[in-house]
Amino acid sequence: DQQVKQNSPSLSVQEGRISILNCDYTNSMFDYFLWYKKYPAEGPTFLISISSIKDKNEDGRFTVFLNKSAKHLSLHIVPSQPGDSAVYFCAAVYSGAGSHQLTFGKGTKLSVIP
Amino acid sequence: SQTIHQWPATLVQPVGSPLSLECTVEGTSNPNLYWYRQAAGRGLQLLFYSVGIGQISSEVPQNLSASRPQDRQFILSSKKLLLSDSGFYLCAWSPLPYIEAFFGQGTRLTVV
Repeated sequence: DQQVKQNSPSLSVQEGRISILNCDYTNSMFDYFLWYKKYPAEGPTFLISISSIKDKNEDGRFTVFLNKSAKHLSLHIVPSQPGDSAVYFCAAVYSGAGSHQLTFGKGTKLSVIP
Repeated sequence: SQTIHQWPATLVQPVGSPLSLECTVEGTSNPNLYWYRQAAGRGLQLLFYSVGIGQISSEVPQNLSASRPQDRQFILSSKKLLLSDSGFYLCAWSPLPYIEAFFGQGTRLTVV
């Protein structure tokens, strides 16, 4: 049973336009969400996160939105740049009870076309 | 600043051979350490985590084991590799049990 789902395996966006990457989760205990960016043959790098007490977090060109009632979050990249081309992983965690389980989605490959 | 080192970057091993992947962290003390695997077409799967020397927790039953002989050293091992052990293995650390994890460069393991 996949608790974190990224239903779009790939996404192509024109340079300068907005990229929207979506993520759904099923476990209502998740209270912290993270986005990671991964280039081929490299480890993922942390991008942005959001706590369940917020519905939006912004960092430069990156904004994450959280809709708890829909168990949905999205990552917006504006404007998209060719260097943003990578695989983006959504991750969720239940931070209570000393949990160490960071649950990842399968990733969405973003291609930004110059 | 903190850095994480993981080696080797790529490895090709025959079925039935042993495995040892090493990960070290610099610039921090008592980190939480993790081993993940990314198999083809799948997300990142947590294999092991450690909150201290000699303390290892396994998330998924499998053909692998982990050890933490020193505070900033985490080792992933196998006595006999299976074809299904092929994948991209990632070591990570975090200062606290999950807020942000920082990943190493990964090891591409191919079992033939």
